[in-house]
Amino acid sequence: GDSVTQMEGPVTLSEEAFLTINCTYTATGYPSLFWYVQYPGEGLQLLLKATKADDKGSNKGFEATYRKETTSFHLEKGSVQVSDSAVYFCALSDSGSNYQLIWGAGTKLIIKP
Amino acid sequence: ETGVTQTPRHLVMGMTNKKSLKCEQHLGHNAMYWYKQSAKKPLELMFVYSLEERVENNSVPSRFSPECPNSSHLFLHLHTLQPEDSALYLCASSQGRGGGDTGELFFGEGSRLTVL
Repeated sequence: GDSVTQMEGPVTLSEEAFLTINCTYTATGYPSLFWYVQYPGEGLQLLLKATKADDKGSNKGFEATYRKETTSFHLEKGSVQVSDSAVYFCALSDSGSNYQLIWGAGTKLIIKP
Repeated sequence: ETGVTQTPRHLVMGMTNKKSLKCEQHLGHNAMYWYKQSAKKPLELMFVYSLEERVENNSVPSRFSPECPNSSHLFLHLHTLQPEDSALYLCASSQGRGGGDTGELFFGEGSRLTVL
């Protein structure tokens, strides 16, 4: 079945550091890929998405590129801020999952000033 | 009120109690979901309602009982829970099942459940 694997956290960085959170997937079809973010005490919200190979999703300075050859969708940001501290979830949706979202376990990001 | 609202935010109950979680969405969506979020585990989809009909039940124990009286409201009735049921329960809504073309789900802030 479909699955998503994320790097384990927590990831701790200093402000203005470069961020990468790894995400790889297995899917039977041609999935759409998503990053959601959960700030402390809040529900999840969609951060960015990509629907086909080589697409790049971007939002709030975050980017992720849909790499079919490596089945990856790594999240990157050039310069993180304290306000980026949150839990980040990678997810996919495709026909193999009946178009329900399949989630990774989440990666907690801690940014220190 | 806007978005997805969940009440209560925190709930502590004994194993013999009966309680309910409530979710209300003000987005005009036609699908609603219950998820269980436990530490360091992927989100677990519990139930999906589309146009007020339950379309998925992912092998959830019968001590969890959902109810969707209309497209804006979703309940999760709890009875004789176990300590391992302690978790954050998230409600979400979307336009189109699975988030439709956008894959976007809108989440509430969750109800933190502790079973003693």
